[in-house]
Amino acid sequence: SQTIHQWPATLVQPVGSPLSLECTVEGTSNPNLYWYRQAAGRGLQLLFYSVGIGQISSEVPQNLSASRPQDRQFILSSKKLLLSDSGFYLCAWSEGRGVSYEQYFGPGTRLTVT
Amino acid sequence: LAKTTQPISMDSYEGQEVNITCSHNNIATNDYITWYQQFPSQGPRFIIQGYKTKVTNEVASLFIPADRKSSTLSLPRVSLSDTAVYYCLVGGATNKLIFGTGTLLAVQP
Repeated sequence: SQTIHQWPATLVQPVGSPLSLECTVEGTSNPNLYWYRQAAGRGLQLLFYSVGIGQISSEVPQNLSASRPQDRQFILSSKKLLLSDSGFYLCAWSEGRGVSYEQYFGPGTRLTVT
Repeated sequence: LAKTTQPISMDSYEGQEVNITCSHNNIATNDYITWYQQFPSQGPRFIIQGYKTKVTNEVASLFIPADRKSSTLSLPRVSLSDTAVYYCLVGGATNKLIFGTGTLLAVQP
């Protein structure tokens, strides 16, 4: 069966510090991968998605970046965090073949920038 | 991607059937309608997906009229554990999902 891991679960970082969140998927090959952010009381905002190694599409221009160094690894980074980067970050995957509206989400990382 | 409109919140009692309606007036021919459920501090979970008429699974039913400009998620006999945010999404030939603010369903005893 497929599983998705995210870490860390919670993170408190000062403004201006770097960020690295990691997501890995097991039990599937060539998945589509996604990073979302959810601010308190809001819906999910798609940040990045990837259909393959090294292929990243950015949905929202900001100080975040994403990388996919391996087939089932997706990393969200920032060089300098802003207060507005606080939120609940979710990684998700979907089947890579064809179009799939069924996405499977990880447990999330709650980031607080102080 | 078509825009969706759904109620911000709904209240219900245990054992009742709950119907959440979503409007998507600009739905395109190749768009599917998908519903997700999200509990606090968790990622959303896929509930059901449909294109037209009626779809039913072990969790819910999805009713889509002929014009497809709206859809209704039906949850039979809700329990306290069904308290969550429900998102209606419409998408076509792309893997991108656009989540709105959803409907907060509060089930009371």
